[in-house]
Amino acid sequence: DAGITQSPRHKVTETGTPVTLRCHQTENHRYMYWYRQDPGHGLRLIHYSYGVKDTDKGEVSDGYSVSRSKTEDFLLTLESATSSQTSVYFCASGGTGGTEAFFGQGTRLTVV
Amino acid sequence: AQKVTQAQTEISVVEKEDVTLDCVYETRDTTYYLFWYKQPPSGELVFLIRRNSFDEQNEISGRYSWNFQKSTSSFNFTITASQVVDSAVYFCALRATNRDDKIIFGKGTRLHILP
Repeated sequence: DAGITQSPRHKVTETGTPVTLRCHQTENHRYMYWYRQDPGHGLRLIHYSYGVKDTDKGEVSDGYSVSRSKTEDFLLTLESATSSQTSVYFCASGGTGGTEAFFGQGTRLTVV
Repeated sequence: AQKVTQAQTEISVVEKEDVTLDCVYETRDTTYYLFWYKQPPSGELVFLIRRNSFDEQNEISGRYSWNFQKSTSSFNFTITASQVVDSAVYFCALRATNRDDKIIFGKGTRLHILP
């Protein structure tokens, strides 16, 4: 299995506070992705990266920003958390040539 | 625009029955890849299979089989002789490589295998 880890695994935060989730991969994959999973919505793409400092928006990017300063790290930031951002967040990484993505274990974020 | 539709939200079958999970996709790209993932109750996402747009051969792996038909834009997944351990949420996904390499997922099908 690909080495991809997320931190923290669980977090409770208050509305209005900034939150950063971290994703680290050891596979030298070019592509990295952030998804959120909510009941009835499946996995929705928030942002993705196609290289260091190269990122683009997904379908639910409002309220989120990302950064990728190194191949192995992809950060997701909620600038001012809202209750609607309570969710399970998954990070994934994948190589070129249409290869599959491998997922981290997920981060359960609760905004109170 | 790319889209993946899994019309079956939830399915329940009795153990040992066969079950097919449907996946319909939309893309204008000529080169694309389709995937199935499994999410068991423990929550992790497990990759099952990848298919590219140029290979329409069906695939069988043990009790699992996949039917890819470009004519109907479908990539269906069949579990033969289902087992309780097959209970999970199954996701179909699409990656189109002509442009942006996003991976788009369907909403998933929750499969219950009843003993």
